[in-house]
Amino acid sequence: KNEVEQSPQNLTAQEGEFITINCSYSVGISALHWLQQHPGGGIVSLFMLSSGKKKHGRLIATINIQEKHSSLHITASHPRDSAVYICAVGPGNTPLVFGKGTRLSVIA
Amino acid sequence: EAQVTQNPRYLITVTGKKLTVTCSQNMNHEYMSWYRQDPGLGLRQIYYSMNVEVTDKGDVPEGYKVSRKEKRNFPLILESPSPNQTSLYFCASSDAGGGSNYGYTFGSGTRLTVV
Repeated sequence: KNEVEQSPQNLTAQEGEFITINCSYSVGISALHWLQQHPGGGIVSLFMLSSGKKKHGRLIATINIQEKHSSLHITASHPRDSAVYICAVGPGNTPLVFGKGTRLSVIA
Repeated sequence: EAQVTQNPRYLITVTGKKLTVTCSQNMNHEYMSWYRQDPGLGLRQIYYSMNVEVTDKGDVPEGYKVSRKEKRNFPLILESPSPNQTSLYFCASSDAGGGSNYGYTFGSGTRLTVV
């Protein structure tokens, strides 16, 4: 079974800082997902990627299949980015194995 | 608006009283799944369905049942709830194989307390 490790577990940043969250997994996959969970509990899918890099606004996700590693970057961080970021991996779309999440707090 | 609708949002029940949490999606997605989220354990998959009448167990299926009679609905059934099923539950759907750049759509969650 795939093991998914995220780092750091908790992260506090000043507004405007560049943020990196890392995700490593143990078994080859077809797809990796980055999810965002807001303090209210709702979960939003940010990215699904199987190779290379994707960008959406201030968010950038990269994946290195050979090294079994992905990073989520946030440029020019803002307090509204405060959330738990969750990495999940799977063979194609299903089923998913989740990391335990990285809790990010961005302070103004 | 494309969405996954879960009901109820909050539920307090007693041990042994059967309950159903409903999940409905309006995106014609083939794939639907249920997860529970517990502190320190993260999200864990309960059941998933690749299409109508096709369901499979996830990592923690004990004590749960599901059905997929129609493409849009995927209810989660707890026949005899116990306190260890107190958790935050999420339903999600995905257009498996459809090439979506953003993967899954999640419901708003159901916070279940079993006393």
